[in-house]
Amino acid sequence: EAGVAQSPRYKIIEKRQSVAFWCNPISGHATLYWYQQILGQGPKLLIQFQNNGVVDDSQLPKDRFSAERLKGVDSTLKIQPAKLEDSAVYLCASSLDGTGDGEQYFGPGTRLTVT
Amino acid sequence: QKEVEQNSGPLSVPEGAIASLNCTYSDRGSQSFFWYRQYSGKSPELIMSIYSNGDKEDGRFTAQLNKASQYVSLLIRDSQPSDSATYLCAVAGGYQKVTFGIGTKLQVIP
Repeated sequence: EAGVAQSPRYKIIEKRQSVAFWCNPISGHATLYWYQQILGQGPKLLIQFQNNGVVDDSQLPKDRFSAERLKGVDSTLKIQPAKLEDSAVYLCASSLDGTGDGEQYFGPGTRLTVT
Repeated sequence: QKEVEQNSGPLSVPEGAIASLNCTYSDRGSQSFFWYRQYSGKSPELIMSIYSNGDKEDGRFTAQLNKASQYVSLLIRDSQPSDSATYLCAVAGGYQKVTFGIGTKLQVIP
């Protein structure tokens, strides 16, 4: 079974530029999560989708971050414009559990550096 | 606001010893509890999940849950240098969605 795929793996941009990340979850997984992990901290949930509906985006900085999940499968996370404090690893995870409280499987992450 | 507390460590144990990692949470309505292992520069990988009070064993790993004390722990028996990593506690269910702790860095000394 293929795991969670993410791209790109690394991205370096200047502040005020825009960037987009892509995630393809494990086939059949209903729930998809985007996390931000700053060095030395635990993952922070940005947004959670169940199928193609948003369940929780309470910690998503909506003035600059946006996300969508197309047809309930893959997803994109966008930052526009980027700030220095957005430098982090962006993790995508998926879960078979439709309640959103199940075991999660993570992709390799995208390391973003904003200069 | 759901909070998940972990000691950031590092926790150092000699090879072959038992490593004990602890986690407390604030939301009494939490229903699902997870331990993830994260090697430096890698993404988290699931080790254990536990949903009811008591112990759950899987190989060298034992997860313990005490909902009355809002406490979950992970024991690693016969610790190996390859167990050296950051261990993340995650809590889900209840009033808010999934929340991760800061993680405890474990160092197993050969």
